[in-house]
Amino acid sequence: GAVVSQHPSRVICKSGTSVKIECRSLDFQATTMFWYRQFPKQSLMLMATSNEGSKATYEQGVEKDKFLINHASLTLSTLTVTSAHPEDSSFYICSARGGSGNTEAFFGQGTRLTVV
Amino acid sequence: GQQVMQIPQYQHVQEGEDFTTYCNSSTTLSNIQWYKQRPGGHPVFLIQLVKSGEVKKQKRLTFQFGEAKKNSSLHITATQTTDVGTYFCAGWNSGYSTLTFGKGTMLLVSP
Repeated sequence: GAVVSQHPSRVICKSGTSVKIECRSLDFQATTMFWYRQFPKQSLMLMATSNEGSKATYEQGVEKDKFLINHASLTLSTLTVTSAHPEDSSFYICSARGGSGNTEAFFGQGTRLTVV
Repeated sequence: GQQVMQIPQYQHVQEGEDFTTYCNSSTTLSNIQWYKQRPGGHPVFLIQLVKSGEVKKQKRLTFQFGEAKKNSSLHITATQTTDVGTYFCAGWNSGYSTLTFGKGTMLLVSP
């Protein structure tokens, strides 16, 4: 299957700082990328959907100004957690899918964010 | 919005026993996908079902999509310790704009 690379895999940051997570599709053009958050032993909660070149669509309850998503190219989307707090500590994972007709979502490896 | 419910949340079986997880959507789905997530890993795509009433098999795994395209099941025959992980169903809404995951079923297999 296609490869999605997510970086970093783990990050520890201080409260109040910002953290950027990158999601790259390595061998296909990702027209749509999804950002999920997963708490321990729970399911993946969709945070936002981004289409290349347009603003991300955020799910209800997700703060746009806190979780900045940029999908500037067909191979890269970034999630920036701004002014991080300990409650933002979680596993963040991106997935990407290609053009129309391709409905399989390929996942990155995930990023374990710990805010201290 | 679209909701996808999955049961059971957790199941512990002895190696060799069968296992089934069920998925039910509040709305008709365009298709349904199944993923497996090993502890500490990321979800890995297993299969996609598109047609009403579709049944697909992968070795010991059998996947079914309901006639109304609102429910699905994954059945594992004669579980092995390598089957351990969390199994998620995920459904695409009409238009394929949102992929919604069920809460997952965590499977533990004892030797």
